[in-house]
Amino acid sequence: AQTVTQSQPEMSVQEAETVTLSCTYDTSENNYYLFWYKQPPSRQMILVIRQEAYKQQNATENRFSVNFQKAAKSFSLKISDSQLGDTAMYFCAFNAGGTSYGKLTFGQGTILTVHP
Amino acid sequence: EAQVTQNPRYLITVTGKKLTVTCSQNMNHEYMSWYRQDPGLGLRQIYYSMNVEVTDKGDVPEGYKVSRKEKRNFPLILESPSPNQTSLYFCASSGTPYNSPLHFGNGTRLTVT
Repeated sequence: AQTVTQSQPEMSVQEAETVTLSCTYDTSENNYYLFWYKQPPSRQMILVIRQEAYKQQNATENRFSVNFQKAAKSFSLKISDSQLGDTAMYFCAFNAGGTSYGKLTFGQGTILTVHP
Repeated sequence: EAQVTQNPRYLITVTGKKLTVTCSQNMNHEYMSWYRQDPGLGLRQIYYSMNVEVTDKGDVPEGYKVSRKEKRNFPLILESPSPNQTSLYFCASSGTPYNSPLHFGNGTRLTVT
């Protein structure tokens, strides 16, 4: 079974600073995809960034980047120059092929608050 | 506009009264799935569908039914709701379940008393 763990239930950061949200996962698959989704208070789920496991280069999307450590099964999200609009719950998600094709597993979520 | 439409947005019902939450997508996606979101547990997959007439259980399927008679629609059915099914529900779709990001509906807040 695949599992995803987000060990930080809540985080806070000052506007314009950098914050890192952690995520670890467990799988026996070798090829898979990892995602970070954002859920603002409107409760709409929005894709932030995704990473393919076979790509060693870390994905980046503007102020958002990941630190993907495949051997350690770690997939952290770094938010640079934090903005008030980044306040949201963030979910790490994992999607493998093989026998788990079609099954998407989410972490417990991290509530991020950006303070002015 | 490409979207996943989920209705209703809020629903309050009583134990045992059958209900259906509708989900429709206009992106011609083959893959659709349902999730429930609970505090401290994140999102958990209930059922998913690879294509018309093809459905499979996720991690928490007990007490739920789904059907996929048309590509665009994927309703979630609670035949006999119980209070432990009080939750926030999301429908989602994507082109493929593996590498494509999910497009989510706006969620249904269900309360079963």
